[in-house]
Amino acid sequence: EAGVVQSPRYKIIEKKQPVAFWCNPISGHNTLYWYRQNLGQGPELLIRYENEEAVDDSQLPKDRFSAERLKGVDSTLKIQPAELGDSAVYLCASSFGLGGSTSEAFFGQGTRLTVV
Amino acid sequence: TQLLEQSPQFLSIQEGENLTVYCNSSSVFSSLQWYRQEPGEGPVLLVTVVTGGEVKKLKRLTFQFGDARKDSSLHITAAQPGDTGLYLCAGPRSNDYKLSFGAGTTVTVRA
Repeated sequence: EAGVVQSPRYKIIEKKQPVAFWCNPISGHNTLYWYRQNLGQGPELLIRYENEEAVDDSQLPKDRFSAERLKGVDSTLKIQPAELGDSAVYLCASSFGLGGSTSEAFFGQGTRLTVV
Repeated sequence: TQLLEQSPQFLSIQEGENLTVYCNSSSVFSSLQWYRQEPGEGPVLLVTVVTGGEVKKLKRLTFQFGDARKDSSLHITAAQPGDTGLYLCAGPRSNDYKLSFGAGTTVTVRA
């Protein structure tokens, strides 16, 4: 069974440019997460979807970040315009069930974004 | 302020030694998960502990969940270079299902 697939693996852009990341979760997983991880730190939640609904986007910087999960499967995360401080690894994860108390998440390999 | 506090932040030991990393919080968690992350990869789930006081063993790794479900520990016996990585604890709080992560413990096992 395929795991969580993310693309691209690496992206280098100039500041003020837009960038988009794509995620395909594990088949059948209702919940999808986008996390941002800085070097040597734990992942920080940006947004959580249950099916196509964003149920927690309190930590998403909405002035420049947007996300969508059409049809409750694949998801895209966009930054426009990117800033130097956005350089990080962007991780997508998925889990089975909705609002589950175990919420075991399975992660993709991440997209490493460098803003220059 | 981190919801889950992990200690130590860094740990470097010789192959064959034992190590313990800790995960503490003032909040009660429905469950806690431990992940290991290698450079350039996403975190990989090692184990989930659910019941207060629970102990789970995975080969040389022993995981314990505190009685009050606010803390957990990971003990590695006879560490090997392949155990090197960033160890992360994570959990959904009992009052919501937001999966929060600690900052992680970077473990280096020298051959």
